[in-house]
Amino acid sequence: NAGVTQTPKFQVLKTGQSMTLQCAQDMNHNSMYWYRQDPGMGLRLIYYSASEGTTDKGEVPNGYNVSRLNKREFSLRLESAAPSQTSVYFCASSEESWGYTFGSGTRLTVV
Amino acid sequence: QQQVKQSPQSLIVQKGGISIINCAYENTAFDYFPWYQQFPGKGPALLIAIRPDVSEKKEGRFTISFNKSAKQFSLHIMDSQPGDSATYFCAAGNDYKLSFGAGTTVTVRA
Repeated sequence: NAGVTQTPKFQVLKTGQSMTLQCAQDMNHNSMYWYRQDPGMGLRLIYYSASEGTTDKGEVPNGYNVSRLNKREFSLRLESAAPSQTSVYFCASSEESWGYTFGSGTRLTVV
Repeated sequence: QQQVKQSPQSLIVQKGGISIINCAYENTAFDYFPWYQQFPGKGPALLIAIRPDVSEKKEGRFTISFNKSAKQFSLHIMDSQPGDSATYFCAAGNDYKLSFGAGTTVTVRA
């Protein structure tokens, strides 16, 4: 009963490096999301995928790309990391009932 | 600019007391208003949610009050317990997207 699994849990990058955050859900949900959480800012939507094969920008998409690989997996890529992307990243999934299930997060530091 | 404004940023309450967190929104198209609870090092978890056709929803010690005309909603935690110490986020949304408030850190003193 895994729910939403995110990898890695922690990552330190140097400015300009690239990386991909992985997310997988086993609840057969159609919709998946990437949020970032910063102190005093709450959770801000980066990208979402309403269904397999579709992706759309959220509030803060600049500097990120996403891939909905299949119904289970939704990855977030940072092509050239910047210190402003230091944050905790959460993946979530949901079905039409609207209840979001969040992963446990990836804590990313860009130095 | 945040579409959902949440206050206070933090609060301290004695065990057995009432915690109240308030949120306001602007977009009248929003039709779903959930609250999430987050413990340190964990992802947020759905606590309780309401739709605009009702003014109040209660689940155990947690109650949402909703005022559609004022575009405000609030979370009341009755008989607060030390285990309720967490960060609480309100959210509002439609079309499968949610906008979140900035969060309120609640500390319950024994």
